[in-house]
Amino acid sequence: AAGVIQSPRHLIKEKRETATLKCYPIPRHDTVYWYQQGPGQDPQFLISFYEKMQSDKGSIPDRFSAQQFSDYHSELNMSSLELGDSALYFCASSLAGMASYGYTFGSGTRLTVV
Amino acid sequence: AQTVTQSQPEMSVQEAETVTLSCTYDTSESDYYLFWYKQPPSRQMILVIRQEAYKQQNATENRFSVNFQKAAKSFSLKISDSQLGDAAMYFCAYRTEAGGTSYGKLTFGQGTILTVHP
Repeated sequence: AAGVIQSPRHLIKEKRETATLKCYPIPRHDTVYWYQQGPGQDPQFLISFYEKMQSDKGSIPDRFSAQQFSDYHSELNMSSLELGDSALYFCASSLAGMASYGYTFGSGTRLTVV
Repeated sequence: AQTVTQSQPEMSVQEAETVTLSCTYDTSESDYYLFWYKQPPSRQMILVIRQEAYKQQNATENRFSVNFQKAAKSFSLKISDSQLGDAAMYFCAYRTEAGGTSYGKLTFGQGTILTVHP
């Protein structure tokens, strides 16, 4: 079965650079969520999209932006990167009306800022 | 705001034995969902089991079962016949049953590292 695809798997950037993370949800899933997980921490909600519109916003820095495109894939853009942005970034998708089934997570993008 | 608390940073169990991971949560809502996710060293987040708050019957998935106490806001995970492959970080998570087009985010607990000894 198709899963949530995230790219790239690993990314190394220097401070003050820009990074773009991509997420391809499970086909027919209309909701995408982004989470940030620091080392040894629980995942923190960043932002979500439903039908290409932002549906909820969490602790996402102003330096970050995201959008969902017409094919439902989503991109998380991160500018002016800081050392503290080093983390595992998860994307998850779900189908509206199927809240009880939780999410399906991608394998994550490990971002290292040096 | 909803909060999820896992009071056991680490737990260990012998292979083939049973272990219970604790989780409590705080909410003023009546409709919600609870989940346990497993995160092995690969860091993949894997859904283990889920529970709808409106169901009184505890969920069971093979060797995994929950003890859901709605009044006490407690949601523990029991792993029976533990296997080496069960070793992972386990997260308890809460999700609101939001109405309309906004489907609630997952709020995670701090996680419990489970070690399985052969």
